[in-house]
Amino acid sequence: VQLQASGPGLVKPSETLSLTCTVSGGSISHYYWTWIRQSPGKGLEWIGYVYYSGVANYNPSLSSRVTISADTSKNQVSLKLTSVTAADTAVYFCATSSVGSNYYYDSWGQGTLVTVSS
Amino acid sequence: DVQMTQSPSTLSASVGDRVTVTCRASQTIGTWLAWYQQKPGKAPKLLIYDASNLQSGVPSRFSGSGSGTEFTLTISSLQPDDFATYYCQQYHGYSLYTFGQGTKLEIK
Repeated sequence: VQLQASGPGLVKPSETLSLTCTVSGGSISHYYWTWIRQSPGKGLEWIGYVYYSGVANYNPSLSSRVTISADTSKNQVSLKLTSVTAADTAVYFCATSSVGSNYYYDSWGQGTLVTVSS
Repeated sequence: DVQMTQSPSTLSASVGDRVTVTCRASQTIGTWLAWYQQKPGKAPKLLIYDASNLQSGVPSRFSGSGSGTEFTLTISSLQPDDFATYYCQQYHGYSLYTFGQGTKLEIK
């Protein structure tokens, strides 16, 4: 399975960051899909996951601002993060497990850089 | 929240060396731990899951051990392709999966 994250590379402060992860080579059905981000020069931060059915779970530090959803008709997963600040500048990865695990990730997208700036 | 602390932050080693990276959890996590390798500009690559299970396709020079709060990733004989940054990740519980801060493995 191949994952391709896409979306605007520049978002203004206080606006909403919206990214899409397009999955090819397989169906999103019956799998968990996770978003992880990495601030420039920093480590990895787990954002949250969605099951194909729509059940989601989020990092408590972001839960008031984040929504992850799945669209089986388009074979896509999306991430929305509201009220962004410069601290949300990062490379955003979508990831999954080919064995259906919810815990660790053996398939990753290439990552997409989102810069928050006016 | 479970905090993950890796040591060292940077490790200098030579080709052929045996190296060990340590990851400590702030509370017990059983064997709910994975290790990843990341190279600049690339996504992380899964090496080990459930603390000691080698991911398919990963060379056998990589191994993981530990349980509870202390875990290690060992590379038995460093190869040129192994110089990268390594991260541990815990997945105990249901609400937050956290990563260590990373260990950069450099050429001595």
